[in-house]
Amino acid sequence: DAGVIQSPRHEVTEMGQEVTLRCKPISGHNSLFWYRQTMMRGLELLIYFNNNVPIDDSGMPEDRFSAKMPNASFSTLKIQPSEPRDSAVYFCASSRAAGAYEQYFGPGTRLTVT
Amino acid sequence: AQRVTQPEKLLSVFKGAPVELKCNYSYSGSPELFWYVQYSRQRLQLLLRHISRESIKGFTADLNKGETSFHLKKPFAQEEDSAMYYCALWASGTYKYIFGTGTRLKVLA
Repeated sequence: DAGVIQSPRHEVTEMGQEVTLRCKPISGHNSLFWYRQTMMRGLELLIYFNNNVPIDDSGMPEDRFSAKMPNASFSTLKIQPSEPRDSAVYFCASSRAAGAYEQYFGPGTRLTVT
Repeated sequence: AQRVTQPEKLLSVFKGAPVELKCNYSYSGSPELFWYVQYSRQRLQLLLRHISRESIKGFTADLNKGETSFHLKKPFAQEEDSAMYYCALWASGTYKYIFGTGTRLKVLA
């Protein structure tokens, strides 16, 4: 099993451009999480889904950020328009279910907005 | 408000010295607590959870409800323990996951 898969691994874009990050969770996992990691703020939960339904999106910074999970094997995190302060590593994780279960993390996408 | 606090951004210890990574939480319900670790060039992964009461790689963590703490301890640090450590809380009452800001542990030779 390849684990959680994220693409792209690196993204460099200019301010104002749209950025789409992709995630494929582990097969059979019902919960999917998006995190942002920065030096200043550490690991922040942006949003999580259970059975493809968003459960908690209180961590989404602002309307420029949106996330979708159209089916059990795919999710996207979109930033439109992107800003330099969005530069960070974005992680996707999945778990068997929502609750006190182990989360399995992807390798992350390093986003740089110039 | 629910919160996880890791007061140290960086902790440096010498090899063979004891290690304690601090984690305090704020939650009125019954907490489920975890420690995750991120080694260099590796994925973030679960180290241990309080309900398991297990020792992983020599690390232990005891939930102290009176002090609302879940500190991570190891009696003798090894160089391979150098990593980023995150404490996390699952707040079942509000269906929220909360991570601390992380502590970078450096074990010096």
